[in-house]
Amino acid sequence: QTVVTQEPSLSVSPGGTVTLTCGLSSGSVSTDYFPSWYQQTPGQPPRPLIYTTNTRSSGVPDRFSGSILGNKAALTITGAQADDECDYYCVLYMGSSIWVFGGGTKLTVL
Amino acid sequence: QVRLQESGPGLVKPSETLSLTCTVSGASLTNYYWAWIRQSPGKGLECIGHIYHTGATVYSPSLKSRVTISLGTSKSQFSLMLTSVTAADTAVYFCARYSNPPRHFQLWGQGTLVTVSS
Repeated sequence: QTVVTQEPSLSVSPGGTVTLTCGLSSGSVSTDYFPSWYQQTPGQPPRPLIYTTNTRSSGVPDRFSGSILGNKAALTITGAQADDECDYYCVLYMGSSIWVFGGGTKLTVL
Repeated sequence: QVRLQESGPGLVKPSETLSLTCTVSGASLTNYYWAWIRQSPGKGLECIGHIYHTGATVYSPSLKSRVTISLGTSKSQFSLMLTSVTAADTAVYFCARYSNPPRHFQLWGQGTLVTVSS
């Protein structure tokens, strides 16, 4: 079974830039996987950030951007703010209407 | 404004059936896919399955033998049934609207915690 991989934790300084990645245990992520990204704070549902690799959801500031970097999908946050400290999940489309979430990245801003 | 709200028992006994309903307000079910996603305590997200407004369903291979997602009698509801539950099914269950195109889970309910315990 294919596993979607994410960094368990990352840290960034306020105002800094950080890149979170989303990979596959076997193979490369491409736009064909329609990668999307979600932000989750404790006790809240995931909030859509990015879909189809690099399209921002409504109301998402442009300091969040999505891309393919090498063989992974990536979420880059530029100008990190304190309230960016939370969990981030990617999800990939595996075909046949099957989606698989990554394990999530806990981002610390310090 | 479209809103999704999960409802159902917060406690289910082992081996019994978990049943949840998602009520959609501000929109009909037409032309969208409607999904159930769960999150075990302190863990990541897992897709359970989804249903199209026509009633066509797709289930996670790992849960397929125990899951049924159906449209409600009300045109603004859909439901989840998960049979033979164990403690491993304890989770926050979210309903979500899935669009295609573009492919993504664009709207989420607040989630409801279901605990499996005797």
